Amino acid sequence: KAGVTQTPRYLIKTRGQQVTLSCSPISGHRSVSWYQQTPGQGLQFLFEYFSETQRNKGNFPGRFSGRQFSNSRSEMNVSTLELGDSALYLCASSRDGSNYGYTFGSGTRLTVV
Amino acid sequence: AQTVTQSQPEMSVQEAETVTLSCTYDTSESNYYLFWYKQPPSRQMILVIRQEAYKQQNATENRFSVNFQKAAKSFSLKISDSQLGDTAMYFCAFMNLQGAQKLVFGQGTRLTINP
Repeated sequence: KAGVTQTPRYLIKTRGQQVTLSCSPISGHRSVSWYQQTPGQGLQFLFEYFSETQRNKGNFPGRFSGRQFSNSRSEMNVSTLELGDSALYLCASSRDGSNYGYTFGSGTRLTVV
Repeated sequence: AQTVTQSQPEMSVQEAETVTLSCTYDTSESNYYLFWYKQPPSRQMILVIRQEAYKQQNATENRFSVNFQKAAKSFSLKISDSQLGDTAMYFCAFMNLQGAQKLVFGQGTRLTINP
């Protein structure tokens, strides 16, 4: 059974640009969550999508957005990139977003220069 | 808001030894889950073990077990017969069952198993 697939694995962008990251969950999983991991702030929750609807949102500015498609694949977008957006972005999927824990992908390493 | 604290930034043990990683958390909720995740250099977060707060019995998964002390809000991970492949960052995480179902992570413990 395929795991959670995140593309691309690495990305370098310039300040002010925008970026779109993709996440394909495990087949049958309808919940997709996104996390940002940085050395200073650790792992922080961005948002969660379930059946194409944003169900939960973390404390990030509006430059961070996402969406989920009917096949449960999810994208997150960051507009007007800042140096501080450099991070590992992890996607996690679960069957219904609750108690069995999440299966994570290997992340997208975003570097903003 | 919930917080998770891992007080040991780094730990190092010899192969085959037993090691315990500490985690404390703060919450006013009564229904929640606790997790330990492992993040090797491959970056993927791998679920090691989970514990439901309503269960008094400590969870075990092969060489991994937890000591869950609900009153003390403590959730430590014990790794028995440690192996080189256990070398990784270990994160303790909390998830409330009410409200926003998101994982709140601790800062992590870097565990090195030496041959």
